[in-house]
Amino acid sequence: DAGVTQSPTHLIKTRGQQVTLRCSPKSGHDTVSWYQQALGQGPQFIFQYYEEEERQRGNFPDRFSGHQFPNYSSELNVNALLLGDSALYLCASSGGGPTSNYGYTFGSGTRLTVV
Amino acid sequence: DQQVKQNSPSLSVQEGRISILNCDYTNSMFDYFLWYKKYPAEGPTFLISISSIKDKNEDGRFTVFLNKSAKHLSLHIVPSQPGDSAVYFCAAKKEGAQKLVFGQGTRLTINP
Repeated sequence: DAGVTQSPTHLIKTRGQQVTLRCSPKSGHDTVSWYQQALGQGPQFIFQYYEEEERQRGNFPDRFSGHQFPNYSSELNVNALLLGDSALYLCASSGGGPTSNYGYTFGSGTRLTVV
Repeated sequence: DQQVKQNSPSLSVQEGRISILNCDYTNSMFDYFLWYKKYPAEGPTFLISISSIKDKNEDGRFTVFLNKSAKHLSLHIVPSQPGDSAVYFCAAKKEGAQKLVFGQGTRLTINP
């Protein structure tokens, strides 16, 4: 049973560029959340998608946007990249909708470096 | 505003002894708490959780204690094994929301 799959694993972008990160949730999961983990910090919640809609959002600017597809997979888009956007981006999936207490399953993340 | 804090960036414990990792929170609306373990180049892996209606939850070598009045929780690992060496994150959530608020993490090193 495949867990959460994220692509690419590593990415280098230039300031001002745009980037798209992808996530396939664990089989049977319908909710996808994205987190940003800066070096030496804990993951920070970006947003959550359920039924192809953004359900919750953390304290991130509008440069961060997302999408969920009918097959529950998701994309995270970041526009106008800043050096401070360099981080590990984690996707997490869960079942039972956005209010359930089912635990997350995390992917291994995409390491984004902005130069 | 750091609502979940892990004040010890690192902890070193001898193999076979008890490891105690601590976590404090400030938001009294949090009602569910989780511990995650993270190895390099991998995503966080769920370890154990506790609801605010309990003060203790055990799963094998792992026990989580919750002190609501002190807004403090701790993770005990007994006995500690070399494979337990990792970064441990404490996380909290509110009822009806899946958003997790994480602490900064504690790097646990188990020495042989």
